[in-house]
Amino acid sequence: EIVLTQSPDFQSVTPKGKVTITCRASQTVGTSLHWYQQKPDQSPKLLIKYASQSISGVPSRFSGSGSGTDFTLTINSLEAEDAAAYYCHQTTNLPYTFGPGTKVDIK
Amino acid sequence: EVQLVESGGGFVQPGGSLRLSCAASGFTFGSYGMNWVRQTPGKGLEWVSAISGSDDSTYYTDSVKGRFSISRDNSKNTLYLQMNNLRAEDAGLYYCAKNQWELVYWGQGILVSVSS
Repeated sequence: EIVLTQSPDFQSVTPKGKVTITCRASQTVGTSLHWYQQKPDQSPKLLIKYASQSISGVPSRFSGSGSGTDFTLTINSLEAEDAAAYYCHQTTNLPYTFGPGTKVDIK
Repeated sequence: EVQLVESGGGFVQPGGSLRLSCAASGFTFGSYGMNWVRQTPGKGLEWVSAISGSDDSTYYTDSVKGRFSISRDNSKNTLYLQMNNLRAEDAGLYYCAKNQWELVYWGQGILVSVSS
C-alpha cells in the first residue's frame, strides 16, 4: 500500500498570505495525485487533479506541482473562505489512499 | 447539475448487514466509474471500493474484501455497496463519488454506525 504523508499537520496564515502543503508518497505515483478541500460539515471538493491540472470553477490561487513522490499544493493570496482541511489522494496503485490531511486556519 | 444522494445507512450490530445506495443524476451514469470512500475521526478519509464505467470491474480495499460488494444498476442510475459481517471499524460517514480516479463529485455522505 502506498502511504501518503502530509506536512504540516496544521497551518495558521493571515489573509492574503501564502500556504504551501506538501504530500510525500512512500513510492512513486507518477502524477496520479489529486488534491481535495474539505470545509467543516461539507463533502470533499476536488481542487487539483493529476498533480497540476486545474479544475473548472476552482479559483486560480490554487495550484499544484510535483511528480514521482513529492507534491505541493499552493494557495496564493489566502482568503477567509479557504479555511479547511486539505487532502492528497493517489490513484496509481490499489488500494487508492489518502493523506492524513492538513488543516488551514485563518489568523 | 450532477447530484449524488446516498441512502441506506443506519445503526447495526457487529456481524450485521447494510446496503448503501447512491442515486446519481445530471450525467450519463453508465459511462463513469464510481467509488465509495469513508471518513472517520480516527482514520480520516479511506478509499473503500470502486467500480469501472467500462466493464464493471470491481476493486476493494483489503479490509473489506469478501465482506463488501459494490455494484451498479445503470437503468436506475444507482450505485450500491452491500456490506456484510460489519465490524466496529467499518463505522463512519460513507460517501459515493463520481469518476474512477480523480473524484470530481461527492455525495453528502451517509452515516454507518456499528456497535453492540
